[in-house]
Amino acid sequence: LAKTTQPISMDSYEGQEVNITCSHNNIATNDYITWYQQFPSQGPRFIIQGYKTKVTNEVASLFIPADRKSSTLSLPRVSLSDTAVYYCLVGAQDDKIIFGKGTRLHILP
Amino acid sequence: NAGVTQTPKFQVLKTGQSMTLQCAQDMNHNSMYWYRQDPGMGLRLIYYSASEGTTDKGEVPNGYNVSRLNKREFSLRLESAAPSQTSVYFCASSEGGARFGRNGYTFGSGTRLTVV
Repeated sequence: LAKTTQPISMDSYEGQEVNITCSHNNIATNDYITWYQQFPSQGPRFIIQGYKTKVTNEVASLFIPADRKSSTLSLPRVSLSDTAVYYCLVGAQDDKIIFGKGTRLHILP
Repeated sequence: NAGVTQTPKFQVLKTGQSMTLQCAQDMNHNSMYWYRQDPGMGLRLIYYSASEGTTDKGEVPNGYNVSRLNKREFSLRLESAAPSQTSVYFCASSEGGARFGRNGYTFGSGTRLTVV
């Protein structure tokens, strides 16, 4: 399974765009990149998944460069309710994935 | 609403007691998983079931057993609870396969277990 590295924590202000970058240097050819969001006292929630280039949905965008060794989750115009832990996951092996500690995003008013 | 249902939501056990955490999904997913999450930590995989009738160990299987009762249900059993098993337990499911399904994992709301 590809190991991921992401910042432990980030602060931002309401209304700003937030970009969280994840490094995954040993990503395999058939690996997908998936991001999850977890609020306190809740289970993680799927946000977005991609393989290459750019993926956008109603919640976020995911940017993946051509070498796929990193990815960036972009949250447009964040609000206080976006305060959460964000996990970057990479893999496809054995139908299981391992979560790291994620990035604690704190949105300030 | 479709999703993953976990019971109970809260439980307090005495050291040495046993209990079973229940999980059921109604999305016809093939794969199911049990994770634990300790304060300030990420999720650690305990056991998973890639399909009905199969189970495999994850990162931290010691002290736990699982049963994939049918396609919908995946239970986690603590035979002799220890204080180190105090944690929040999450069940999850996915379509499975190399892409974990187009929508990844769906998690339940968790079971908060305290062992005293």
